[in-house]
Amino acid sequence: SAVISQKPSRDICQRGTSLTIQCQVDSQVTMMFWYRQQPGQSLTLIATANQGSEATYESGFVIDKFPISRPNLTFSTLTVSNMSPEDSSIYLCSGRQANSYEQYFGPGTRLTVT
Amino acid sequence: SQKIEQNSEALNIQEGKTATLTCNYTNYSPAYLQWYRQDPGRGPVFLLLIRENEKEKRKERLKVTFDTTLKQSLFHITASQPADSATYLCALNDYKLSFGAGTTVTVRA
Repeated sequence: SAVISQKPSRDICQRGTSLTIQCQVDSQVTMMFWYRQQPGQSLTLIATANQGSEATYESGFVIDKFPISRPNLTFSTLTVSNMSPEDSSIYLCSGRQANSYEQYFGPGTRLTVT
Repeated sequence: SQKIEQNSEALNIQEGKTATLTCNYTNYSPAYLQWYRQDPGRGPVFLLLIRENEKEKRKERLKVTFDTTLKQSLFHITASQPADSATYLCALNDYKLSFGAGTTVTVRA
């Protein structure tokens, strides 16, 4: 299993600014993902964070808006750039081992953009 | 892409009863299907995985069925307890893991 922590747990930001969310895993995981979850809604995959290369983004999400880094097998960051109120959401980091289908999730970062 | 539908309404049940949650999908049957539990303010936690060639899977008081003909999975919580109160998410493996919106279960003591 893996324990995932995220920082910050919540933040209130002004529109036009950027926020970087950190994700730390207590053990090496092959794959890391970033999700967004609106209150009462399903989880939506933003991108797969690839170690040492550019992230793979899902339809509707672009690198300029959500730049992602993954320098090693235990750490990743997601930046929400040039924020607008529509970016208010919970952002979740997730990890998975290559030989397992089970995904582990962090507690999420609750972002409010004013 | 898959459309995943779970019970649209919240489920309120009496302690000791069985909660039954439904997950329906629209397109091709995935190789496997997962169920997660999510508590308020927390990330989802993996509960069970069932493969397309398995009809039923059990883990303690939890039971999952998978009917590829009906394109449906049922998730049962038997002898429910107030501690089972949470939102339960169905997830299908495509090239990525796609989640349903979840069903919120409240177990009354």
